[in-house]
Amino acid sequence: NAGVTQTPKFRILKIGQSMTLQCTQDMNHNYMYWYRQDPGMGLKLIYYSVGAGITDKGEVPNGYNVSRSTTEDFPLRLELAAPSQTSVYFCASSLFGTESNSPLHFGNGTRLTVT
Amino acid sequence: AQSVTQLDSHVSVSEGTPVLLRCNYSSSYSPSLFWYVQHPNKGLQLLLKYTSAATLVKGINGFEAEFKKSETSFHLTKPSAHMSDAAEYFCVVSEGGGSYIPTFGRGTSLIVHP
Repeated sequence: NAGVTQTPKFRILKIGQSMTLQCTQDMNHNYMYWYRQDPGMGLKLIYYSVGAGITDKGEVPNGYNVSRSTTEDFPLRLELAAPSQTSVYFCASSLFGTESNSPLHFGNGTRLTVT
Repeated sequence: AQSVTQLDSHVSVSEGTPVLLRCNYSSSYSPSLFWYVQHPNKGLQLLLKYTSAATLVKGINGFEAEFKKSETSFHLTKPSAHMSDAAEYFCVVSEGGGSYIPTFGRGTSLIVHP
C-alpha cells in the first residue's frame, strides 16, 4: 500500500517557469489537500478538494491552480514561478473531513527552489 | 472560527526525562484535535487524535495527550524522552459546522540531549 505519493522530490525552477507537482493516493480517500511549509510558519493550506470535480481555495492560493479529475490524483500547478514560492510542498488525503476525526495522510513532500 | 497556538517554538530535554509540548486551541464547535510528528526531511505522521470518547488519549511511541475543555488545551506528554523523539511536532484543530479545513499550529521543535 503506497499511501500518498508525491513527485518530484526536488525541483529547481527559474523565475517565470511553470511546473506541475504530482500527487496520487491509493486509499480511495475523498478529501485531498495541498500545503506549503515554510520555516517556523507551520503548514499553510493552498487548495483542497472534497471529491472528484470539486476544488476550493485555502489560505494561500495565489499563484497556484489545481484540478481533481479522478479520486486518486490531485496535481498542483505553478504558473509563472516566483521566489516567494520557494518552499516545501506537502500533499495529504483523508477518508472524510478532519472535523469527523479522520486523520490526514501525508506524502513525503516536494522541495521547490525558485531562483 | 478555529485557531491553535503552540506555546513553545523549541523544547530542549535530556534523554530519559519527561517531555511536555503545549497546545491551546480555540473553536466555536466541539473540535477534533490531532498531534502530528515530522522527522527531518520527511512527511508528517499521525501521533494521536482526540475522539471525545476519552479525555486522555494514547498515541504511538509512548506519547499521550490530555484534552482539557475548561483550559482549551491539548498538551502532549511522554514520560521519558528518547533520542529518536527529536523532531518537529504539530498540534492541529478541526472544528465542525461544515468546515473541512484543519488548522495547524506553527510547530514545536523537540531537541533531545544525550
